[in-house]
Amino acid sequence: QKEVEQDPGPLSVPEGAIVSLNCTYSNSAFQYFMWYRQYSRKGPELLMYTYSSGNKEDGRFTAQVDKSSKYISLFIRDSQPSDSATYLCAMSEETSGSRLTFGEGTQLTVNP
Amino acid sequence: DAGVIQSPRHEVTEMGQEVTLRCKPISGHNSLFWYRQTMMRGLELLIYFNNNVPIDDSGMPEDRFSAKMPNASFSTLKIQPSEPRDSAVYFCASSLWLAGGDTQYFGPGTRLTVL
Repeated sequence: QKEVEQDPGPLSVPEGAIVSLNCTYSNSAFQYFMWYRQYSRKGPELLMYTYSSGNKEDGRFTAQVDKSSKYISLFIRDSQPSDSATYLCAMSEETSGSRLTFGEGTQLTVNP
Repeated sequence: DAGVIQSPRHEVTEMGQEVTLRCKPISGHNSLFWYRQTMMRGLELLIYFNNNVPIDDSGMPEDRFSAKMPNASFSTLKIQPSEPRDSAVYFCASSLWLAGGDTQYFGPGTRLTVL
């Protein structure tokens, strides 16, 4: 079983839709939770970062972490065609420094 | 300010040949990571360095893979001999420190095809 599970999609939504992306994990030592966005033929770039449990909002993006359920989510409101990309969740332990474990990534297409 | 620089961007080679991938991290960053991305396995960490010293190479798939960081501004990932199953996109990333939650900045990747 993988430490981090993520539905690879693909996910296709109309412009303006609310998008929900999710990851589950098995390692209870994970404390840092991130979402990276990767455009086609580019390197991943950090989108959101959360430490431990809770919510974090940044514009149209909201990241949620539920450590009791070992479940994290990324919500995108009013999705735009420019949001079309692959979204990867990533996690790390307190003691492992910035060594990240990535999910497989979910490919999202927002149709105009 | 330049980001992480990788070269070459594309590499096509024949099975059995030696392949060398190069990375220049962001100036001032102390940690460097090498990843491999494939459709089947996603993004996998191969090896990472802190202050030019390899910290964890448990992700290196075989002895055919080796990585070096001779100084703070340059790293190489070498595959010798290469095999078709090594075909993937190889990313280099750097971060300021090796601290939990520290942001990793990725390069554009090297797309390797081994025929």
